[in-house]
Amino acid sequence: AQSVTQPDIHITVSEGASLELRCNYSYGATPYLFWYVQSPGQGLQLLLKYFSGDTLVQGIKGFEAEFKRSQSSFNLRKPSVHWSDAAEYFCAVGPTTDSWGKLQFGAGTQVVVTP
Amino acid sequence: GAVVSQHPSWVICKSGTSVKIECRSLDFQATTMFWYRQFPKQSLMLMATSNEGSKATYEQGVEKDKFLINHASLTLSTLTVTSAHPEDSSFYICSAPDRVGSGANVLTFGAGSRLTVL
Repeated sequence: AQSVTQPDIHITVSEGASLELRCNYSYGATPYLFWYVQSPGQGLQLLLKYFSGDTLVQGIKGFEAEFKRSQSSFNLRKPSVHWSDAAEYFCAVGPTTDSWGKLQFGAGTQVVVTP
Repeated sequence: GAVVSQHPSWVICKSGTSVKIECRSLDFQATTMFWYRQFPKQSLMLMATSNEGSKATYEQGVEKDKFLINHASLTLSTLTVTSAHPEDSSFYICSAPDRVGSGANVLTFGAGSRLTVL
């Protein structure tokens, strides 16, 4: 069965510290991979995506993610977090076929940034 | 970049009434749109795929007669929650494939519509 796992429901990090959010997936083949961020009461904003090629992907707001096929992982990182990074982060996977838009989301990781 | 607009952002209705939520692609055409539902502190679940000019495709377990979807034009999809009940209270988010600027195969999401059924 297809699944997306974000093991950490909640992470607290100090401003200026590094951040890593984990994402593991179970899929029939290598899917398209995404990270989205959601601020309270808002929709989702795309941080970055992986379709193919370089396994280290750069995104907006200083985020990057690394695709590791052997581990079926797509972890999100940021070297130095800002207070504005406090939000809910969702990892998502989608098929590489015509139905690619049908994303399956992880449960999300709530990030709290302390002064 | 591509923008998807949803209206209304908030809606409160009485049990038994119907509520319509609009999803518009503002600067691009979308033959397909996706409707997601998000319960408090939970992830998004795909409800249905809205297809312009044809019937929507619903995910397993989603009642098509409860959640009516109409995709009448290339920039507008509507979700109508019929005979709403408190358990239908949720955050509904639409999305559309963005093939403008950022390349193919990226979904742009609306800001969501929060439905509260009293």
